Amino acid sequence: DTTVKQNPRYKLARVGKPVNLICSQTMNHDTMYWYQKKPNQAPKLLLFYYDKILNREADTFEKFQSSRPNNSFCSLYIGSAGLEYSAMYLCASSRGRGQETLYFGSGTRLTVL
Amino acid sequence: QQKVQQSPESLSVPEGGMASLNCTSSDRNFQYFWWYRQHSGEGPKALMSIFSDGDKKEGRFTAHLNKASLHVSLHIRDSQPSDSALYFCAASNSNNRIFFGDGTQLVVKP
Repeated sequence: DTTVKQNPRYKLARVGKPVNLICSQTMNHDTMYWYQKKPNQAPKLLLFYYDKILNREADTFEKFQSSRPNNSFCSLYIGSAGLEYSAMYLCASSRGRGQETLYFGSGTRLTVL
Repeated sequence: QQKVQQSPESLSVPEGGMASLNCTSSDRNFQYFWWYRQHSGEGPKALMSIFSDGDKKEGRFTAHLNKASLHVSLHIRDSQPSDSALYFCAASNSNNRIFFGDGTQLVVKP
């Protein structure tokens, strides 16, 4: 089973309010990623967990937080949503380090109003 | 600067035709390359990986890598309407950071 599940599928949030997105995988993968995808743009790497170690990209360091309470689950947290956060958020997992294939969930479409 | 550039942005081919997609990276540390395909309403799914110079063939799909020029391509022969999708090139070094291009929208017309 190569399934990565994301909840919810659609999320509506108000400007200035927090947002929490959930991802799970049952493949016992070591690494879990979060990407942000806007129309006509490349999926943008936000952060990833390798085992229990969180790595956040420099240009989004202060905008996103994450937690991984166990191997299967990973969350993406936005403390105060702005209009620019409206996007598709894709979670992915892989077995190990950079040469491994990513397995993606179907994404959560976040709309901030 | 975006690390992975794809061309063309969109491509239309007739059913049974050949589709050719291109990708160039700007980081010489990249060692690993993939092609991912995304159908509407789904997340991207890995189509092929290529880590060594030369060609790699899987059925109707052939990937070509030239590390010296940082160029990777994907060729789809006998294109089918079900191949219509958004295709992403992805590249990585060995530190878990995987970068994607903007994508090529392929339409295969019956």
